[in-house]
Amino acid sequence: AQSVTQLDSQVPVFEEAPVELRCNYSSSVSVYLFWYVQYPNQGLQLLLKYLSGSTLVKGINGFEAEFNKSQTSFHLRKPSVHISDTAEYFCAVTSSGGYNKLIFGAGTRLAVHP
Amino acid sequence: GAVVSQHPSRVICKSGTSVKIECRSLDFQATTMFWYRQFPKQSLMLMATSNEGSKATYEQGVEKDKFLINHASLTLSTLTVTSAHPEDSSFYICSARETGGGPEETQYFGPGTRLLVL
Repeated sequence: AQSVTQLDSQVPVFEEAPVELRCNYSSSVSVYLFWYVQYPNQGLQLLLKYLSGSTLVKGINGFEAEFNKSQTSFHLRKPSVHISDTAEYFCAVTSSGGYNKLIFGAGTRLAVHP
Repeated sequence: GAVVSQHPSRVICKSGTSVKIECRSLDFQATTMFWYRQFPKQSLMLMATSNEGSKATYEQGVEKDKFLINHASLTLSTLTVTSAHPEDSSFYICSARETGGGPEETQYFGPGTRLLVL
């Protein structure tokens, strides 16, 4: 079985500061990893995904994430955040075979303050 | 980009009534659609996987007779909450994956439907 752990439920940060949202996963098979963002009362929007190849993945809105197989992590980073980045961020994992549903982490609430 | 719509966006109903939620892929065909439920300040929980032309696959603990899913075409899946009760109040979100796409393919999410059962 697969699982996702988002280590921080809330991350407060000041505008223009860097941020890292942490995500660890557990799986016995090869995985695909995703980061989604959810703005209030809306569905989820894909930020980026890792399938294979380069471990550094760049996404939309200036976000990037690095896949670390040895540490089973897929942390999300942004060098300088904006007020508009305030949202809920979900890390998700799925496997490359079998019944491949998305398993979501509990989410991290990013609050950007002026 | 791929767009998924949901209708209605918000619904209030009386206890005991049934509510139907539609999920449409607007600019792509989706053999597979997914239905999620999200409680306040919590993550998404997969309820069922909807496959066009066949029966949905429900997750453990989800009552298939209460949450009826129909995926009659490649662009439409419906979730009907039958005999709704206040505990069914939640945010329901659907997603769709393009036909032929495997697990590596992005799931595109709808904007969600807020259900309140009085």
